[in-house]
Amino acid sequence: DVKVTQSSRYLVKRTGEKVFLECVQDMDHENMFWYRQDPGLGLRLIYFSYDVKMKEKGDIPEGYSVSREKKERFSLILESASTNQTSMYLCASSTRQQALFGPGTRLTVL
Amino acid sequence: DQQVKQNSPSLSVQEGRISILNCDYTNSMFDYFLWYKKYPAEGPTFLISISSIKDKNEDGRFTVFLNKSAKHLSLHIVPSQPGDSAVYFCAASGVGTGANNLFFGTGTRLTVIP
Repeated sequence: DVKVTQSSRYLVKRTGEKVFLECVQDMDHENMFWYRQDPGLGLRLIYFSYDVKMKEKGDIPEGYSVSREKKERFSLILESASTNQTSMYLCASSTRQQALFGPGTRLTVL
Repeated sequence: DQQVKQNSPSLSVQEGRISILNCDYTNSMFDYFLWYKKYPAEGPTFLISISSIKDKNEDGRFTVFLNKSAKHLSLHIVPSQPGDSAVYFCAASGVGTGANNLFFGTGTRLTVIP
């Protein structure tokens, strides 16, 4: 059964902490994405990657960075967490005609 | 600028009736469209898709209609069931629209009232 896994379902961090969100896919997809979902704003693309060591900014990259050292793994990094980064974070991997999402990480920054 | 728009943030429907969720897009390069369903605290799951060579695709209770001239698609759920209550996202993709990306709408929260 193909899947996308995320390292944590729920995470609580303090302002200023460095936060790592990990995502792993087992479908050998080249494209991987990080979104955040907020009420009334839908899914907003933070960063995406179309190959190992390649990354592209999405719509809201400020305050985030990413790492893709291996094809199956795409990490989202919050260098210094802030309260406005409290959100649901969703990882996906895709072909052009299908995106498979992970279960999401609910991050709360206090 | 939002290339895929869902102008209704919420919709309430009685159980057994039809639910119609709408989606508009602006980019004429889009040629593949998808609907995703999301429950709270879970990731979105794929529901149904349609290629631009078709104007209708049906899967059980779910039917997606595409009107290319109006750049509009809709998802019909008949009959609606309480378990259909979720947030529905439409998404679009197309060759040349950027790195195989899927562009998502902002979502419509469907509530099916028993």
